[in-house]
Parts: sequence; structure tokens; C-alpha cells
Amino acid sequence: ETGVTQSPTHLIKTRGQQVTLRCSSQSGHNTVSWYQQALGQGPQFIFQYYREEENGRGNFPPRFSGLQFPNYSSELNVNALELDDSALYLCASKSGSSLGDEQFFGPGTRLTVL
Amino acid sequence: EDQVTQSPEALRLQEGESSSLNCSYTVSGLRGLFWYRQDPGKGPEFLFTLYSAGEEKEKERLKATLTKKESFLHITAPKPEDSATYLCAVGGATNKLIFGTGTLLAVQP
Repeated sequence: ETGVTQSPTHLIKTRGQQVTLRCSSQSGHNTVSWYQQALGQGPQFIFQYYREEENGRGNFPPRFSGLQFPNYSSELNVNALELDDSALYLCASKSGSSLGDEQFFGPGTRLTVL
Repeated sequence: EDQVTQSPEALRLQEGESSSLNCSYTVSGLRGLFWYRQDPGKGPEFLFTLYSAGEEKEKERLKATLTKKESFLHITAPKPEDSATYLCAVGGATNKLIFGTGTLLAVQP
């Protein structure tokens, strides 16, 4: 069974640029969530997709957007990058949309904005 | 507003020295309290979900308990490989997980 994978591992961008991060869900999982984790902090919920529809969003501006594809893989897009966007971006997948369902995290993408 | 506070921020133990980590929470309509372990540079690894006050779960040297206001992660006779950051998260009526900032545990041989 393949776990959650994310690409790229590391990424360096400059302020104002746009970035796309990718996530492949664990086999059989139809729900994916994205989190931002700043250094020394806990993960902060960005949004969740269930069967290609966004069904939950945290306190992030509209320049953070996402997609979930029919094979349940997912993308996180961030426009107009700011220095504070530098963080570890985590993707997590699970097999149901209920909050209590166990979710599995990928290794993350480390984004640095200069 | 849903909130999670973890203490202590950091904890250093000798191998075999048992201790507990605390997670205090405020949430509207608790739907689950979650414990994760995170190693440096990696994503969080799921440990436990607790759903109601009085519930307890165990896994190897770890035991999680839950009351209406807080959860404890008890570590019995820890080993150096237990060194990691332990994260607590709660899910409530807003349907999103709120994480604490974690406890950094270091177990020395």
C-alpha cells in the first residue's frame, strides 16, 4: 500500500511569484486536506476536499486555492507569494469525510519565499 | 473560538523516566481529540483518536486519556526512539482540526 506522497520536497520562490504543490493520496482515500506548518508551530488547516469538492476552509486568503482530481490526487496553489508563506506544507488523506476519521500525512513540501 | 494549548513546550527525560504531556482544549462540540508524533523534517504520524471524556487508549509505551477540558499523553519507561514532537489536535463543530504547538520530547540514554 502506497502512502501519501508530495512533490516537490523543497522549493525556493521569490515574493510575488506563484507556486503549485502536489499531493498523491493513499490508495482508497477520497478526502485530502492541506496544512501550513511554520517553524516551531503546529499545522494550520488550509482547506479540505472530498470527492473533488471543497468542504472546509481555514482562515487563509483566497490566493490559497486548491484542486482535487478524479483519481483523488490534489494540488495547492498559492498566488502572489509573501515572505510569511515560507513554511512546511503538509497534505493528509483519509477514506471518509468525517472529522473523526484517521488521516495520514505526507512528508511535506518545504517552501522558502525570498 | 476553538483553542489548543500544549505543555510543557519541551521536556527532557532520562531513559526509563516516565512522564506525562498535557493538552488543554476549548472546543464547540468535540468530535475528536487527536495525538500525533512528528519527527524532524517529516509529516505527523497518527497515534490516537479519543472521542469522549473518560476514554483511554494505549499503544506500546504510550497511553492517552481524555477529560472534558484536557488530554494527557502518558509515556511509560521511554526510550531514546520516543524522542519527537508530540502534537495534539481537536476537531469540533467547525469541521476542521485545530493543532497545538506541540511538546518537544528528548529522551536521553
